[in-house]
Order: sequence, then C-alpha cells, then structure tokens
Amino acid sequence: NAGVTQTPKFQVLKTGQSMTLQCAQDMNHNSMYWYRQDPGMGLRLIYYSASEGTTDKGEVPNGYNVSRLNKREFSLRLESAAPSQTSVYFCASSEAFRRRGETQYFGPGTRLLVL
Amino acid sequence: KQEVTQIPAALSVPEGENLVLNCSFTDSAIYNLQWFRQDPGKGLTSLLLIQSSQREQTSGRLNASLDKSSGRSTLYIAASQPGDSATYLCAVWDGGSQGNLIFGKGTKLSVKP
Repeated sequence: NAGVTQTPKFQVLKTGQSMTLQCAQDMNHNSMYWYRQDPGMGLRLIYYSASEGTTDKGEVPNGYNVSRLNKREFSLRLESAAPSQTSVYFCASSEAFRRRGETQYFGPGTRLLVL
Repeated sequence: KQEVTQIPAALSVPEGENLVLNCSFTDSAIYNLQWFRQDPGKGLTSLLLIQSSQREQTSGRLNASLDKSSGRSTLYIAASQPGDSATYLCAVWDGGSQGNLIFGKGTKLSVKP
C-alpha cells in the first residue's frame, strides 16, 4: 500500500516547455487534489476532482489543466511553463468530498524549476 | 474570504520542553480544523483533525484544542524530542472555498538535543 505517489520527484523546464505531473493513489479514494506550495505561502489549491469523471478549478488554476484518467490517477499539465510556476506541487486524495471529518492524504511532492 | 495565520513562523526549543503552536482563522463558521506535519522534502501527514463540535483531540504527546468563537486553535506538544523537528501546518475547512482546505503558512519547529 503505497498511498499517494507522484512522478517525477524533480524537474527542470525552460520557459515555454510543457510537461505533465503524474499522481496515483491506491486507497480507492473518490476525490483527488492538486496543490502548489511556494515559500512564505500556504498550500493553494490548483484543481480538484470530487469524483471520477469530474474536475473543477481551485484557487489558482490559470496556466494548468488536469485530467482524471480513472479513479486512481489524476494528472496536472503545464502547457507552456512560466518562471512563476516554479513551485513544489502536491497531489492529495480523500475518500469522500466535502464530508465532515474527512482528511486528505498527500504525496511526497514534485519540485519544479522553470528557467 | 477565510484566512489562516500561524504564529510563530519559527520556533527553536531544547529537548524535553513542552511547547504550544498557535493557529488563528478569520471566519469562525468552520466545519473542521486539521494539524499536519511536513518534513523537509516530504509530503504532509495528518496529525489531528478536530470537528466543529469538538473542543480538543489527543494523540500521544500531541493535544490540539479548538475555540471556534475566538477563531483559534493550539497544538500542544509535550516533552518535545528532536524527532519532532518539522514544519507544522494548520488548515481549516469552512464549507466554502470549493469545499477544500485553507492552509496557514506553517510553524517551523526545531528541537535541539
């Protein structure tokens, strides 16, 4: 039982390049999330998927797209990377969405540097 | 808009000391509050979750309290150990914000042997 896994662990991109961050969970959770964490700021929600087949914007969605490939996998795509997207990206999952008492389980993060 | 503040931003204590981390939030109409631990280069691990109807939760040497009316929570760590060194994050869910968590910036704790 690996929990939430993310690939890659670290990536360097040049401005304008594209890439996809992968996330998978093996806990049979319905809901998945993408956050970014920047120095001096709290985690901010980029996109979320309340259940398989649905995705919605979070607080900071501009410059990103997501795909809920199946119940296990939720990917985050940067179509044209910008230096402002340099950050640490965390994927998380939870059994249910908007249920009181529900916690989220986090992956180890992907560190992205855009030059 | 809900905002979460954590004070202090960093804290250094000698091993064995009892300590308190603080979290405050601007909108008291929350459904729950969670404390997470983040180790360098790692993801977040949930420590304690307090629902709005609860006043506190305990797990081992950790005790978290919640005072909704004043918009405050504290995380008490008893008999601190070097292994407690990490960043502690507070997050609230108020039912809005797309139904997701609003995080504070964290308190970086260093426990010296």
